[in-house]
Amino acid sequence: AQSVTQPDIHITVSEGASLELRCNYSYGATPYLFWYVQSPGQGLQLLLKYFSGDTLVQGIKGFEAEFKRSQSSFNLRKPSVHWSDAAEYFCAVGVRAGGTSYGKLTFGQGTILTVHP
Amino acid sequence: KAGVTQTPRYLIKTRGQQVTLSCSPISGHRSVSWYQQTPGQGLQFLFEYFSETQRNKGNFPGRFSGRQFSNSRSEMNVSTLELGDSALYLCASSTPGYQTQYFGPGTRLLVL
Repeated sequence: AQSVTQPDIHITVSEGASLELRCNYSYGATPYLFWYVQSPGQGLQLLLKYFSGDTLVQGIKGFEAEFKRSQSSFNLRKPSVHWSDAAEYFCAVGVRAGGTSYGKLTFGQGTILTVHP
Repeated sequence: KAGVTQTPRYLIKTRGQQVTLSCSPISGHRSVSWYQQTPGQGLQFLFEYFSETQRNKGNFPGRFSGRQFSNSRSEMNVSTLELGDSALYLCASSTPGYQTQYFGPGTRLLVL
């Protein structure tokens, strides 16, 4: 079964500083990988996704993530954080077609981002 | 395109009651998945429906059930509510084969 670990429960950065949120996954093959963001009381918004090909993927709001197969990681980065980026961020892994858990996303526990002015 | 819609947005029930939540997927999306989000357990997969058939089910008791209609709209039902069922219930829709799930705003259920 697949699993996702987000080692940092809470991260605080200053506005304008760079950001990296860590995500490690466990899965026997190359998974589908996602980052979602959730503002308080809201649903999840898709930031970016990796299916195959270029291991550096660009998303919305200036975010990017890099898939590193050797490290089983999919870390999310942003060069300059804005106060509006304060939210909770979730990494998720999905199974490719034919997998027994197809249709299911497995999420990490989330990382809460606080942005100081 | 309109996004995923969920109704109602907020719900208060008492223990022992049952509840039905509704989800309308993005137009053209035929797969609907449901998740429960709680502070303690995080986001947990409940089940996934495609073409009116449940394709996948998470590790939840039989009190949790769902169905999908021919127009891809989905409902989930929780019978004999327990205090621990208080959660944000999220619905997501996707196009088959791509696994990119788009989430609705959720239904906040409070069980008293």
